[in-house]
Amino acid sequence: SQQGEEDPQALSIQEGENATMNCSYKTSINNLQWYRQNSGRGLVHLILIRSNEREKHSGRLRVTLDTSKKSSSLLITASRAADTASYFCATLKAAGNKLTFGGGTRVLVKP
Amino acid sequence: GAGVSQSPSNKVTEKGKDVELRCDPISGHTALYWYRQSLGQGLEFLIYFQGNSAPDKSGLPSDRFSAERTGGSVSTLTIQRTQQEDSAVYLCASSLADYGQPQHFGDGTRLSIL
Repeated sequence: SQQGEEDPQALSIQEGENATMNCSYKTSINNLQWYRQNSGRGLVHLILIRSNEREKHSGRLRVTLDTSKKSSSLLITASRAADTASYFCATLKAAGNKLTFGGGTRVLVKP
Repeated sequence: GAGVSQSPSNKVTEKGKDVELRCDPISGHTALYWYRQSLGQGLEFLIYFQGNSAPDKSGLPSDRFSAERTGGSVSTLTIQRTQQEDSAVYLCASSLADYGQPQHFGDGTRLSIL
């Protein structure tokens, strides 16, 4: 099974609303990363949070990490139509240099 | 260009043919990764290069799949005797050598096996 699992699988919101998506994982990690993918394009790195960090911000993005629950959340505030994309979490285990991706959350922001 | 470049962007071929997919990473990035993404799914890890060597090739689905990297730069992923289940988008990413760095992705090669 995949290391990272996103929830929900799909999310539809109005422009200006906040979007929250969650990621759960199974084993100990070194860091957790969030990526965005627009249709037909590659992934774009959004934010990285290390295992000893609990919260991180970047612009309108806020990421939390709870290692006791093996979960992370990504919050996009004041969403825009341009935020429409799929969002993936990816975990890096303590050993090795391989990211393991979840199945993604498809976000639709309606204007 | 400044980003990861993949070619071709689209490839349609008949079942049983061999295909070669190319990835040109960001200059200076010594780590290179190949992933496979099926329609509407997440990414499946295939292989990881550090320089020209592949410390982790655990994700290659079968011996029909192989990859090489020369000069610490360009990489090719080869699929021999393609099957319909090989149809997917093949994504390449590169990163700095340091452990756990963010990965920079190309736009992928969409492979369709008829």
